[in-house]
Amino acid sequence: KAGVTQTPRYLIKTRGQQVTLSCSPISGHRSVSWYQQTPGQGLQFLFEYFSETQRNKGNFPGRFSGRQFSNSRSEMNVSTLELGDSALYLCASRRGTESYEQYFGPGTRLTVT
Amino acid sequence: KQEVTQIPAALSVPEGENLVLNCSFTDSAIYNLQWFRQDPGKGLTSLLLIQSSQREQTSGRLNASLDKSSGRSTLYIAASQPGDSATYLCAVDDQGGSEKLVFGKGTKLTVNP
Repeated sequence: KAGVTQTPRYLIKTRGQQVTLSCSPISGHRSVSWYQQTPGQGLQFLFEYFSETQRNKGNFPGRFSGRQFSNSRSEMNVSTLELGDSALYLCASRRGTESYEQYFGPGTRLTVT
Repeated sequence: KQEVTQIPAALSVPEGENLVLNCSFTDSAIYNLQWFRQDPGKGLTSLLLIQSSQREQTSGRLNASLDKSSGRSTLYIAASQPGDSATYLCAVDDQGGSEKLVFGKGTKLTVNP
């Protein structure tokens, strides 16, 4: 059974640009969550989607957005990139709202110059 | 606001030693607590999940305990091996939905051959 996949794995962008990251959950999983990991702040929750609907959102500015498609794949978008957005972006999937355990992907390493 | 603290931030031990990693959280009203492992540049691997009604969980050489009243959890690793070298993260779910985990900043473990 394939795990959570994230593309691209590495990305370099310039300040002011926008970026889209993709996450494909484990087959059969309908919930996808996104996290940002930085050395200073650690892992912080961005948002979660279930059945194409955003269920919960963390304390991030509106430049961070996401969506989920009918096949449960999810994308997150960051507009007007800032240097501080450089981070490892992780997504996690779980079967449904009744499932406790989350399965994480390998992450996308975003560097903003 | 829930805060999760992990002490120590880094730990170096000789192979074969038994060790304990600590995690504390400020709000004891949690639904579950998870321990994860993260290898450098990689995503997170779930190790153990303890639901609020449980006191401990075991998997192989790993044992995790939970004391909600004191806001503490410990991860016990028996007979440590060099392959155990990684960063260990604990995360709590205090909203019941499990999509929004609050993470500690981790303990970086090095097991020396």
